[in-house]
Amino acid sequence: AQRVTQPEKLLSVFKGAPVELKCNYSYSGSPELFWYVQYSRQRLQLLLRHISRESIKGFTADLNKGETSFHLKKPFAQEEDSAMYYCALTTLQTGANNLFFGTGTRLTVIP
Amino acid sequence: NAGVTQTPKFQVLKTGQSMTLQCAQDMNHNSMYWYRQDPGMGLRLIYYSASEGTTDKGEVPNGYNVSRLNKREFSLRLESAAPSQTSVYFCASSEALAGAQETQYFGPGTRLLVL
Repeated sequence: AQRVTQPEKLLSVFKGAPVELKCNYSYSGSPELFWYVQYSRQRLQLLLRHISRESIKGFTADLNKGETSFHLKKPFAQEEDSAMYYCALTTLQTGANNLFFGTGTRLTVIP
Repeated sequence: NAGVTQTPKFQVLKTGQSMTLQCAQDMNHNSMYWYRQDPGMGLRLIYYSASEGTTDKGEVPNGYNVSRLNKREFSLRLESAAPSQTSVYFCASSEALAGAQETQYFGPGTRLLVL
C-alpha cells in the first residue's frame, strides 16, 4: 500500500535561511510525487511535480528512489513562503490520478 | 473561470441529519474527487469519479455517497451525519488524460460541524 510520511508537523526558519521540508514515501509501483501548498486563506494548489523537474518560487525537489524521499528545498526562505505544505503521491487507477497525501508541514518563516 | 466551486462554505448539522455538498468545475475536466481534511491526518480521498457516469470508492468512503450529475458537477451526500464526519471537505478536479500524472485543482472547501 502507498504511504506518504512528513515527519515534521511544524518547521520554523529565519528569513534568508535554507529550508528543507522532508517527505518519505512507500509505494510498490513507480511513484509520481507532488508538493502542494496552502497559503493562509487560499486554496490548496500545486507547487511542483517531480516529473516536471522544475523550480517554482525558488523551491526544488528531487526524487531519490534509493532513499524513497522527495524532500522540498529552498536555499533562502522568504516570509511569503509561510504556509502549509503537503507532499503527495499519485497512483493511476481507472484513469483517475488519486492522490495520497502526507499529514503536512506548517512552515513559518521568521522575519 | 471560477475553477472549482463548492457550496456551502460552512454547515452545522445535528447527528442523524442528512445533507449534500455540492461541487462544480468549469474547466471541462474529466475527473473529480472528494477529500476530507482532519487535524493531523492530511487529506484523505473519500470518493472519486474518473469520468462522467463513473464513481469509485477512495480511502474513507463509509458514511458517504456521491453522484456525478454531469461532467461539471460531483456531489457528496451524508445520509445520516455523525460527529466523526466533522471535517473540512475539499472537492478537486483534474483533466485526467490517460497515462498522465496531472495537477489536481481544489475548491475552497466546506467546513462541516456535526453536533
